[in-house]
Amino acid sequence: DAKTTQPNSMESNEEEPVHLPCNHSTISGTDYIHWYRQLPSQGPEYVIHGLTSNVNNRMASLAIAEDRKSSTLILHRATLRDAAVYYCILTGFDTGNQFYFGTGTSLTVIP
Amino acid sequence: GAGVSQSPSNKVTEKGKDVELRCDPISGHTALYWYRQRLGQGLEFLIYFQGNSAPDKSGLPSDRFSAERTGESVSTLTIQRTQQEDSAVYLCASSLEGLADTDTQYFGPGTRLTVL
Repeated sequence: DAKTTQPNSMESNEEEPVHLPCNHSTISGTDYIHWYRQLPSQGPEYVIHGLTSNVNNRMASLAIAEDRKSSTLILHRATLRDAAVYYCILTGFDTGNQFYFGTGTSLTVIP
Repeated sequence: GAGVSQSPSNKVTEKGKDVELRCDPISGHTALYWYRQRLGQGLEFLIYFQGNSAPDKSGLPSDRFSAERTGESVSTLTIQRTQQEDSAVYLCASSLEGLADTDTQYFGPGTRLTVL
């Protein structure tokens, strides 16, 4: 399995930025970094993905280290609706067509 | 447009019974995935369908588990002789082309299976 390491849980105050880290020291040159999140009692939903360059979309930003061995998902202003489990996943040639979800980071947003 | 739908949303069954879980993917999506999520755990990959290719069954935990897909439409996951350890939420996802590196997977709401 393509391995990622994430903290089990994090807390953030509402309306403050949140930086969710992910380590993937064994990433290969062709692996993409995907982030999904799972709100309570729902299926996961796509957040963002990238290869080498930092990426921005309406939901979040993805900052990828220069050596690609780590990445950070950035929520610019946390809301209560962002409370979820966030999964960092590597996909590419070695993983075939499978997404390997770990246990992710459970984000608590404090009002 | 309609997302991925799954039925039933909840299923309670007795140990030893067979169950069938259904997934309707997004129209036009060629790839379909099944996952299992035990309480408080991450998702476990079960099986992957891509068009008319042979499915990737490498995640199925035992021969009691099987799945079928008709063309690029509905899929059913069958669990025979259910055991209590099969209790979990079963999630289905579909994607446009099944390209794991760039495709986005769209998940259904899941079927919560409880085996008594």
